[in-house]
Amino acid sequence: GESVGLHLPTLSVQEGDNSIINCAYSNSASDYFIWYKQESGKGPQFIIDIRSNMDKRQGQRVTVLLNKTVKHLSLQIAATQPGDSAVYFCAENQAGTALIFGKGTTLSVSS
Amino acid sequence: DAGVIQSPRHEVTEMGQEVTLRCKPISGHNSLFWYRQTMMRGLELLIYFNNNVPIDDSGMPEDRFSAKMPNASFSTLKIQPSEPRDSAVYFCASSGSNRNYGYTFGSGTRLTVV
Repeated sequence: GESVGLHLPTLSVQEGDNSIINCAYSNSASDYFIWYKQESGKGPQFIIDIRSNMDKRQGQRVTVLLNKTVKHLSLQIAATQPGDSAVYFCAENQAGTALIFGKGTTLSVSS
Repeated sequence: DAGVIQSPRHEVTEMGQEVTLRCKPISGHNSLFWYRQTMMRGLELLIYFNNNVPIDDSGMPEDRFSAKMPNASFSTLKIQPSEPRDSAVYFCASSGSNRNYGYTFGSGTRLTVV
């Protein structure tokens, strides 16, 4: 079936470094993509989204890149802080369907 | 807005008992989703409603699971009878009619079936 996945289950970085979290998706019909952050004991929290008619979108310290040719999504976090430590999920869908989530990447930031 | 409200936060029950999880979506949101999260399977969609009508329940594991949305401000997910393999964190989420900003999730209900 269709699935969304992440390349690496864990990522460890030093405070101040830039982090890149990757995601591969398989449903070529998906036209909407989201990155979520989940802290321990909490529900997933929206970070940034991007539609398929774009290849890059920037937020505060975060950038999402979309490569539809290879069905790849990435989240870049600039100047990573200890508070960024969490599990990050990518999710995708097309109109009329619910979001499908990847397995998640755990980001650990050491100071 | 208080966000998506789920209750209870934690539930411990014995195998065979009925469990009811509750969710209050954000006022004005017309879609509601139930997800289950486990280490092995990640976040899985169980069912979603649009304007109180179930649209896709293909993720509901089996007949032991049922969900209702009697009105726009309340939904329940019921497991009867519960089994140890149902142990997981169950999340409710809601969204508006457009697809901006994805879904807003509740804090989840951690269910343990012993």
